Amino acid sequence: NAGVTQTPKFQVLKTGQSMTLQCAQDMNHNSMYWYRQDPGMGLRLIYYSASEGTTDKGEVPNGYNVSRLNKREFSLRLESAAPSQTSVYFCASSESRQGSPWYGYTFGSGTRLTVV
Amino acid sequence: AQSVAQPEDQVNVAEGNPLTVKCTYSVSGNPYLFWYVQYPNRGLQFLLKYITGDNLVKGSYGFEAEFNKSQTSFHLKKPSALVSDSALYFCAVRDTEYSSASKIIFGSGTRLSIRP
Repeated sequence: NAGVTQTPKFQVLKTGQSMTLQCAQDMNHNSMYWYRQDPGMGLRLIYYSASEGTTDKGEVPNGYNVSRLNKREFSLRLESAAPSQTSVYFCASSESRQGSPWYGYTFGSGTRLTVV
Repeated sequence: AQSVAQPEDQVNVAEGNPLTVKCTYSVSGNPYLFWYVQYPNRGLQFLLKYITGDNLVKGSYGFEAEFNKSQTSFHLKKPSALVSDSALYFCAVRDTEYSSASKIIFGSGTRLSIRP
């Protein structure tokens, strides 16, 4: 099983350029998440999707948009990149079912984005 | 507000010695607590979790964590450190505020360095 796959692994953008980070999971999880990781700040939630067809803002959504294309795929778009968006981006997925224990996330390997 | 604190940015331990990485939390209700590990240029890997039951939780790679409700702590421990344990460790708690999806709040991370 591949788990959670993110593409690309590395990207350099110029200020003002746009790009989409792709994420796909093959575990049939219903929830998916995008986090950014910055030194000394841990991981901060950008957007999440509880289920196919729904998306919600997290802690730091400004400058980003997301699309839950289907149950497998959850993409993150930067419409006009800024140097402050230089970060490592992680996608994660989880399974949440009523009445069942929750076991946390499965993470992708990350996308290292530099905006110059 | 719900939060997780990791008071140490870095912990240095000699190989073979016991190690402790500290974590305290603040949530309403019963906590779901996690430890994740991140090796260089990799995604986060699940180490262990506490949901309910025994206060001492055993996880991957010989790690364990002790849940202390009165001190609101969930410290990560290992009896004998290995050089290969050197990595970035994140404590995390499930966000218990109502949301359409189960979300995790991460601490800022502790870098563990094991010297030979």
